[in-house]
Amino acid sequence: NAGVTQTPKFQVLKTGQSMTLQCAQDMNHEYMSWYRQDPGMGLRLIHYSVGAGITDQGEVPNGYNVSRSTTEDFPLRLLSAAPSQTSVYFCASSALDRVTYEQYFGPGTRLTVT
Amino acid sequence: AQKVTQAQTEISVVEKEDVTLDCVYETRDTTYYLFWYKQPPSGELVFLIRRNSFDEQNEISGRYSWNFQKSTSSFNFTITASQVVDSAVYFCALSGVLFGNEKLTFGTGTRLTIIP
Repeated sequence: NAGVTQTPKFQVLKTGQSMTLQCAQDMNHEYMSWYRQDPGMGLRLIHYSVGAGITDQGEVPNGYNVSRSTTEDFPLRLLSAAPSQTSVYFCASSALDRVTYEQYFGPGTRLTVT
Repeated sequence: AQKVTQAQTEISVVEKEDVTLDCVYETRDTTYYLFWYKQPPSGELVFLIRRNSFDEQNEISGRYSWNFQKSTSSFNFTITASQVVDSAVYFCALSGVLFGNEKLTFGTGTRLTIIP
């Protein structure tokens, strides 16, 4: 049971490049989400999904796309990277279970856009 | 809208001292969850505790304790007899309870440094 995995761990992009941050979980969780962490701002929600085929925007969705074709995977796409997207990105998942509700976080991806 | 405030940006204490991290929240929901996460220098997020808004009992886990007071919208975290390994950034977070309302709203974090 690997929990929540994210790849890559580190990435450097040039302005205007596109890339996909991968997130996978093996706990059969319905809920998955992406957060970004910036110094002094805590974690902010980018996009989230309550199940395969269902996604919605969070607090800071601009510049990012997501899709959820399977329960396990929730990739985050940067369409045209900008320096403002330099951040640490965390993926999280949880069961929609009010008894044991807990969000499990992946190890993070540190992205630098030059 | 939900909001979490951690007014203490940085705290430094000498090892073995007790330290309390403050968390104040705002929400219009009548039921909600509150969380504390630890982020050590290695960068991962470590879950510490979840508290349901129905349960106002204080909780103790080893050297950690949490004081939830609905009347003041606070969920404070105390570390007793601090150790160097407690040095980390600590985040308080809030989420809804209803289906589709699981979004976590985080505070800006408190960086705790334990001085040996």
